Order: sequence, then structure tokens, then C-alpha cells
Amino acid sequence: GNSVTQMEGPVTLSEEAFLTINCTYTATGYPSLFWYVQYPGEGLQLLLKATKADDKGSNKGFEATYRKETTSFHLEKGSVQVSDSAVYFCALSEEGTSYGKLTFGQGTILTVHP
Amino acid sequence: NAGVTQTPKFQVLKTGQSMTLQCAQDMNHEYMSWYRQDPGMGLRLIHYSVGAGITDQGEVPNGYNVSRSTTEDFPLRLLSAAPSQTSVYFCASSKEWSSYNEQFFGPGTRLTVL
Repeated sequence: GNSVTQMEGPVTLSEEAFLTINCTYTATGYPSLFWYVQYPGEGLQLLLKATKADDKGSNKGFEATYRKETTSFHLEKGSVQVSDSAVYFCALSEEGTSYGKLTFGQGTILTVHP
Repeated sequence: NAGVTQTPKFQVLKTGQSMTLQCAQDMNHEYMSWYRQDPGMGLRLIHYSVGAGITDQGEVPNGYNVSRSTTEDFPLRLLSAAPSQTSVYFCASSKEWSSYNEQFFGPGTRLTVL
């Protein structure tokens, strides 16, 4: 079946540091890939997505590129802010009988200090 | 638009009690789903619906029932609560039943079963 593996957390950075959160996936077909973010006390919200190989999703300074050859979708940001402190989830959704179902990674807690 | 709303925000139950978690959306979305979030496990799909009158099981359906009598509402029923159902529950919706559509999440219900 499908699966998503994220780097272990928590991740603690100083403001303006470079961020990478690794995400790799296993899927039988051609999934769409997503990064969702969960701020403290809130539900998840979409951060960015990519629907085919070599697509780059970007939003709020975050970027991730859909790499089919390495089955990866790593999240990056060049300069993090305290307001980026949250839990980040990598997820995939695949065409076929499970349309719309999201398979999530375990989440990575990010804390950014001033 | 209120988006996706969930009630209650918090609930404590005793083993064996039943209850209904409410979920509503005002975006006329076709697809709705319920996830549970447990530490270190990401989110797992409980049940989903592709339209009024149509529901199906997700990854972890045991102990839960759903129905979808209207487009707007998708309640989740716990038939006989067990401590293993202690979790945070999220309802989500999206415009269409598709692998690439963004899903919108509610703020969550934190349930404790004693």
C-alpha cells in the first residue's frame, strides 16, 4: 500500500536559518503530493502541492519539488521565522479507487527561536 | 464562509458511552471525510463520503459509524467508546472526489475516553 515517511523531529532552528524537512513516499501509481501545516490549536491547512513529476509547489517562501526518480518531496525554506513554528505533514493522494484519500506522514514538529 | 466547523472542541467520555461528533461545511463540497490524529502516526482515515447518501470505510473504521443525509453535514458516531478511541478527530472536505484537490480541515475535536 501507499506510505509516507518524514524525517524524525522535533526540529529546532534559530530565526533566519535554512529549513529542510525530508519526505519520501511509496505509491503504486502517480500520486499527487502535498505539504499541510498545523499551527498550535488549529486544524491542518494546505501549504503547497504538486500533482506531477518535476512540478514545484511553493507558498509563503516554502518550496518542494516532486522528484519521481527518488520518490521524494522535501520541504525547504531559505529563512524561517518564529511564526513558522508548527507541525508539518507530508501527504499523498493517488488516482484510482482511493480518490481523495490522503495518506499522511507522521508529522514533523518545527520550533523556531528568535 | 465559516468553512468546516466541528463540535464539540473537547469531550470526555467514560468507556461504553456513545456520542456523536458533529461536522458541517458551507462550501457545497461533495467530498467529506473523518480522520483521527494520534502522536507519531500522522492522520488516519476513518470514513469518507463522496456525496449525500454515499459513505465508505477508510483505514480505521471499527467502532465508528457515519451517515450523510445532506451535503453540508457529516456526523461521526462512536457506538461504545473505548480508551483506544482517545484521539484528536478532524473532519475535512473538498470540492470534488479527486486525488489533486485541496482538502479543508476543521479545527478538530479532542476526545478522551476514560
